[in-house]
Amino acid sequence: DSGVTQTPKHLITATGQRVTLRCSPRSGDLSVYWYQQSLDQGLQFLIQYYNGEERAKGNILERFSAQQFPDLHSELNLSSLELGDSALYFCASRGEGTDTQYFGPGTRLTVL
Amino acid sequence: GDSVTQMEGPVTLSEEAFLTINCTYTATGYPSLFWYVQYPGEGLQLLLKATKADDKGSNKGFEATYRKETTSFHLEKGSVQVSDSAVYFCALSKTDKLIFGTGTRLQVFP
Repeated sequence: DSGVTQTPKHLITATGQRVTLRCSPRSGDLSVYWYQQSLDQGLQFLIQYYNGEERAKGNILERFSAQQFPDLHSELNLSSLELGDSALYFCASRGEGTDTQYFGPGTRLTVL
Repeated sequence: GDSVTQMEGPVTLSEEAFLTINCTYTATGYPSLFWYVQYPGEGLQLLLKATKADDKGSNKGFEATYRKETTSFHLEKGSVQVSDSAVYFCALSKTDKLIFGTGTRLQVFP
């Protein structure tokens, strides 16, 4: 158990819909990262937050957005969903003074 | 740009065989290097890491040495078990994000 939690574990929705994925980092970790794992793109970095502020952006679509709240949990919002958005979405967190990221169990999103 | 290349899988071995999964990287500077493992239906677990040249990371019988001269971080284990069956990802840390290889599936048969 990494200490990073993600909900829900599975999500099934239809094209055009909007969903929210939630992540709670390890206790005390200020940095939260989101990654997407798909069959065709592999594991890709989406976005990073540090103590409530956006710190870095990767290959994140404009239809996707994220935020980190004062209690440090983070949410990834995916809108106008397409079939190609079906993937595993991972959250990771990192403590101060290290570059090691610890991953949550992931949310499997299926868009029908 | 920075990248990680892993050997294609699946790697199929008998129990107690020796394992090597090749990983090479391209990066400027001196990134930290990682191996993560993903068991079926689960998330990514950190297996081991190395932060500088000639460092050896080790955990659960797995080892990998950071080789700057060959830009490699090959994963090895002397005697694999059926329970080691999983997908193994090599990654580097660059400007605070992880760049992953494509993953190598390991299948170990009794």
